[in-house]
Amino acid sequence: EVLLVESGGGLVQPGGSLRLSCGVSGFTFSTSWMTWVRQAPGRGLQWVATIKGDGVQQDYVDSVKGRFTISRDNAKNSLFLQMNSLRVEDTAVYFCARGAEYWGDWGQGTLVTVSS
Amino acid sequence: EIVMTQSPATLSVSPGERATLSCRASRWVTANLAWYQQKPGQAPRLLIYGASTRAAGVPARFSGSGSGTEFTLTISGLQSEDVAVYYCQQYNDWSPAFGPGTKVDIK
Repeated sequence: EVLLVESGGGLVQPGGSLRLSCGVSGFTFSTSWMTWVRQAPGRGLQWVATIKGDGVQQDYVDSVKGRFTISRDNAKNSLFLQMNSLRVEDTAVYFCARGAEYWGDWGQGTLVTVSS
Repeated sequence: EIVMTQSPATLSVSPGERATLSCRASRWVTANLAWYQQKPGQAPRLLIYGASTRAAGVPARFSGSGSGTEFTLTISGLQSEDVAVYYCQQYNDWSPAFGPGTKVDIK
């Protein structure tokens, strides 16, 4: 069974940092592209970042470039999203998902709230 | 940047009737189009990829069609468990984009 479990969300002040994690099992993580997608409260879905299986290639939505970093630890079957210089508009549920182009396996999400 | 639009914003359909959801891309995306279903408090569920290929385990009442810039998701014989928001998503370039969603409810 494929399982993805996010953690690390919480309340942070504007300008602060947070690191999200996604632990996975049930598939070969090291060869899988992985993605973060977010959803602001009551809003639609937004692609955030994607990373190749070997970690060499990453891509980001323009609004987070230079502030967010996607990374992975294949030895620990874990995906990360380091979020710096957080803004109020980054408030959202963050989902990790397997794949590069479309996503058939998702975690349950972790809520990030950016507020003073 | 490819912008996705969906119509209608809300669709009310009687049980057993057909629901037709539309999605439009601002630029050509060939058949690189997926559809998702999302119920409240849940992660999205992949329904369709490649514009018309059903994902594993998706009931046959869900079908996708279209190519280029115009796409359709059809639910043939709406059931109560189909009440959800449906999103289309293009993956033709390296900035995947979702549409704003269509909320489907029971009339």
